[in-house]
Amino acid sequence: EPEVTQTPSHQVTQMGQEVILRCVPISNHLYFYWYRQILGQKVEFLVSFYNNEISEKSEIFDDQFSVERPDGSNFTLKIRSTKLEDSAMYFCASSGDRGYTEAFFGQGTRLTVV
Amino acid sequence: AQSVTQLDSQVPVFEEAPVELRCNYSSSVSVYLFWYVQYPNQGLQLLLKYLSGSTLVKGINGFEAEFNKSQTSFHLRKPSVHISDTAEYFCAVSDRWTSNTGKLIFGQGTTLQVKP
Repeated sequence: EPEVTQTPSHQVTQMGQEVILRCVPISNHLYFYWYRQILGQKVEFLVSFYNNEISEKSEIFDDQFSVERPDGSNFTLKIRSTKLEDSAMYFCASSGDRGYTEAFFGQGTRLTVV
Repeated sequence: AQSVTQLDSQVPVFEEAPVELRCNYSSSVSVYLFWYVQYPNQGLQLLLKYLSGSTLVKGINGFEAEFNKSQTSFHLRKPSVHISDTAEYFCAVSDRWTSNTGKLIFGQGTTLQVKP
């Protein structure tokens, strides 16, 4: 069964450092998403991406964040200068359409900023 | 703005007992509704979804949910739970009126604890 793959599963970084979280969506999907879940809080939408551009982003997704689909298979989330409050579980998801039928989620990357 | 409320943060229940996990959302102008499950150290897996049609939706692992437009609710039920159902359950809404990108708005999650 096709699945969304995220790497690494856990990353520890120092405050102020740049991190790149990687995702391999399901191969024939067209719509890609990043969500995050701060410990004990809701899963929150960060950004959606379609046709090589951001289609929607939340207030959380400020200039410190960027997304890219560099090679047609990977989908990355970059945080330029991490803050303590960026510590969270980050989920990648992909959908064959606009999520109307089902968004498939990866297992998540736990980011810890120290 | 659309919001989703899961009324119970934790639901303890004995094995083979029925369970209901409650979910309410704020606006039902045009929504799709989902329940996801997260087992320990795993990603989010779709249990079931409501897009249109019959308000009673059946999903995997014996779960079902009922869409109630007047009460803006989408409660998840299972008539007899197993130990293996112990997990975190998330209700989510795709609000087609305010967003055409398929983004999901999640509830806070409910931890289902099935006891032997």
